[in-house]
Amino acid sequence: AQSVSQHNHHVILSEAASLELGCNYSYGGTVNLFWYVQYPGQHLQLLLKYFSGDPLVKGIKGFEAEFIKSKFSFNLRKPSVQWSDTAEYFCAVNYPSNTGKLIFGQGTTLQVKP
Amino acid sequence: DAGVTQSPTHLIKTRGQQVTLRCSPKSGHDTVSWYQQALGQGPQFIFQYYEEEERQRGNFPDRFSGHQFPNYSSELNVNALLLGDSALYLCASSWGAPGTNNEQFFGPGTRLTVL
Repeated sequence: AQSVSQHNHHVILSEAASLELGCNYSYGGTVNLFWYVQYPGQHLQLLLKYFSGDPLVKGIKGFEAEFIKSKFSFNLRKPSVQWSDTAEYFCAVNYPSNTGKLIFGQGTTLQVKP
Repeated sequence: DAGVTQSPTHLIKTRGQQVTLRCSPKSGHDTVSWYQQALGQGPQFIFQYYEEEERQRGNFPDRFSGHQFPNYSSELNVNALLLGDSALYLCASSWGAPGTNNEQFFGPGTRLTVL
């Protein structure tokens, strides 16, 4: 079955630390990839997306992600986190054969200590 | 420009009852998708509506049904509620036919509690 796996369920970092959240998907065909963020009390917002082209994608708020097709991975990175990055992060995949359906990972809770 | 709006914000029902949740898409959007997010989990796709028709459906029973109106707004109906239906129900809207590479914008969700 098509699925998305996020390896880290709960991450605690100090401010200025570097962040990398893992995401792997199960199917090797053409995919569209997304990272969404849910800040406390707010709705899901798109951080960045990959459809095609340069596998290194830059998003909002200094986040970036790298698509590695051979590893079926789309890891999220940020060189230096801030307290305001405390949130839940979701990786999602869209398989064009599934049209508009997004398949989400179970999420990673990031807690940044000031 | 209003984003995706959902109503109500919270809802408490008892087992066996029926519930209707509502969603208004972002201005200019014509496709609406519904997701269920259980506590501690990622959203799970329920179904998607475009041109007033259900275009794709996830692995949810027939107790879950929906509708899209000519103004693109949508309803999610759940019959014979079970305790396990307690979750945050998210609506997402996008522009263009399903399959087009357009971003889905999410609403704040409706928190459904089934007692």
